Amino acid sequence: EVQLVESGGGLVQPGGSLRLSCAASGFTFSSYEMNWVRQAPGKGLEWVSYISRSDNSTFYADSVKGRFTISRDNAKNSLYLQMNSLRAEDTAVYYCASTMVRGVFHWFDPWGQGTLVTVSS
Amino acid sequence: DIQMTQSPSSLSASVGDRVTITCRASQSISIYLNWYQHKAGKAPKLLIYAASSLQSGVPSRFSGSGSGTDFTLTISSLQPEDFATYYCQQSYSTPLYNFGQGTKLEIK
Repeated sequence: EVQLVESGGGLVQPGGSLRLSCAASGFTFSSYEMNWVRQAPGKGLEWVSYISRSDNSTFYADSVKGRFTISRDNAKNSLYLQMNSLRAEDTAVYYCASTMVRGVFHWFDPWGQGTLVTVSS
Repeated sequence: DIQMTQSPSSLSASVGDRVTITCRASQSISIYLNWYQHKAGKAPKLLIYAASSLQSGVPSRFSGSGSGTDFTLTISSLQPEDFATYYCQQSYSTPLYNFGQGTKLEIK
């Protein structure tokens, strides 16, 4: 079964750090580009970050640029998001999602179930 | 950055109704447009890719259309399990995959 499982969420104080993990199974993880997407309470989905298959290309939303770092370990079938200098507005459920490609078309599938990050004092 | 705007933000409808949700891009994105369904506490689910291609396993009551800047998602006959939030996503400016703000579909 194709599966993505996030972990590492929790309560952290403003200015603190947290590292999220996403464990992949049921597919060849190293063959897929990966992403983090978040949903703040009462808000919509926000794309956060992207990483290429070989870890040599990364992109970030302006809202997290310079504070978050995406990485992956293909040997461990795992994706990570290091979040530093956290702010209250980073409070959200964080999802990992694989990029599927068919020809020139891209979409996200599968997605994980999400992990909740709460930034509060 | 390409901005995606959905309308309406929320919608009340009854089982059996035909529902249409609109997504507009701030610039032409050809047909690089996906639609997702999201229920609380669950992973988002892909419904439509490339503006009008139905993802395998998705009921045929869902359909997508449009190109350029204007797109629609139509549910031909609402079922109880369709009440959820729907998002469009552009894949024109990869890997910057912006979403629309979502349309919450509620039971009337």
